[in-house]
Amino acid sequence: AQSVTQPDIHITVSEGASLELRCNYSYGATPYLFWYVQSPGQGLQLLLKYFSGDTLVQGIKGFEAEFKRSQSSFNLRKPSVHWSDAAEYFCAVVNTGNQFYFGTGTSLTVIP
Amino acid sequence: KAGVTQTPRYLIKTRGQQVTLSCSPISGHRSVSWYQQTPGQGLQFLFEYFSETQRNKGNFPGRFSGRQFSNSRSEMNVSTLELGDSALYLCASSLEDREDPRFFGPGTRLTVL
Repeated sequence: AQSVTQPDIHITVSEGASLELRCNYSYGATPYLFWYVQSPGQGLQLLLKYFSGDTLVQGIKGFEAEFKRSQSSFNLRKPSVHWSDAAEYFCAVVNTGNQFYFGTGTSLTVIP
Repeated sequence: KAGVTQTPRYLIKTRGQQVTLSCSPISGHRSVSWYQQTPGQGLQFLFEYFSETQRNKGNFPGRFSGRQFSNSRSEMNVSTLELGDSALYLCASSLEDREDPRFFGPGTRLTVL
């Protein structure tokens, strides 16, 4: 069965510091992976996606993610965090039946 | 292009009532999926509609139902509301295929008293 694990429930970083949010997936075939961000009271916004090709994908707002098949991971990174990045981040995988599975999310706090 | 719109944005109901939520997808998108988001359970898939047909269904009771119209707009209905149905209900639209990203609406906040 497919699933997504985000091991970190909450992360706090200083503004300007680098960020890495972890995502591990369980899926038998080639996974289609996504990262979304949700600001308080808002819907989800797509940051980036991966389904084939280059394992390092670039997204919006300066985010990138690297797909590592050997580790079943798709970690999200940003070299320098801005206060406006404070939000909830969700990793997701979609199966061949077109069904999305989301991780439980990582809440990011940015301190000045 | 206009984004995904959901109406109403906020709703308060009492136990036993029923509710209908509406979702208008991005123009040209034929797939609409629904999700329930709660602090305890996170984001859970309810169902997906494509070209007026339910294509996928999550693990929710039959009180949760939906439909899609010929213009791709979708409605979700919850009958006999329970306190545990209080949640943010998110709708997402996409083109068609597995690799197409879902674009989410702002959600409908349902409170059941």
